Amino acid sequence: QKEVEQNSGPLSVPEGAIASLNCTYSDRGSQSFFWYRQYSGKSPELIMFIYSNGDKEDGRFTAQLNKASQYVSLLIRDSQPSDSATYLCAVTYEKLVFGTGTRLLVSP
Amino acid sequence: DAGITQSPRHKVTETGTPVTLRCHQTENHRYMYWYRQDPGHGLRLIHYSYGVKDTDKGEVSDGYSVSRSKTEDFLLTLESATSSQTSVYFCATQDSGVGYTFGSGTRLTVV
Repeated sequence: QKEVEQNSGPLSVPEGAIASLNCTYSDRGSQSFFWYRQYSGKSPELIMFIYSNGDKEDGRFTAQLNKASQYVSLLIRDSQPSDSATYLCAVTYEKLVFGTGTRLLVSP
Repeated sequence: DAGITQSPRHKVTETGTPVTLRCHQTENHRYMYWYRQDPGHGLRLIHYSYGVKDTDKGEVSDGYSVSRSKTEDFLLTLESATSSQTSVYFCATQDSGVGYTFGSGTRLTVV
């Protein structure tokens, strides 16, 4: 069973802080890693993807991948109330396998 | 997403009735997927398609069937709906090498 694990949260951070979301996966053969954001009652929206070890930055978002530790993280700098959502980690095992998501709450 | 349309958006049906959900895409993506999303379980793959008339089962395929007669349409059928199939169903498409794009979802309630 291919697994993707996330802490369900909620993770509460004040506005302007850095939010750190974490994900671990079970299969060392995984090649591609994705972060989706899902607002309540809406569909998941792709915000970041990473294929290689290290960091990838896009605006306020940074994805970090450590294949040796089987660990993926998403950092959100200068968190805003509009970032409050559930963040889904997804890993490719031929098809995408999703974690159950971490709920992020950013308070004004 | 403008390129992926799911219908209906909401449906209430009775136990034992067949139900068909439709996913229509205008992106000409080869790959299409059906997921269900339930609290505590996240998104789970039901069936997927690599092209016209080329489909396969995902991890939770029991009680579901699919058909893809055209590139743009991927149908999910609940052969005899049960209360355990009450869920939010998402269709997704994929352009090769990139993450999936999701439709707006169908909220299905089986009573």
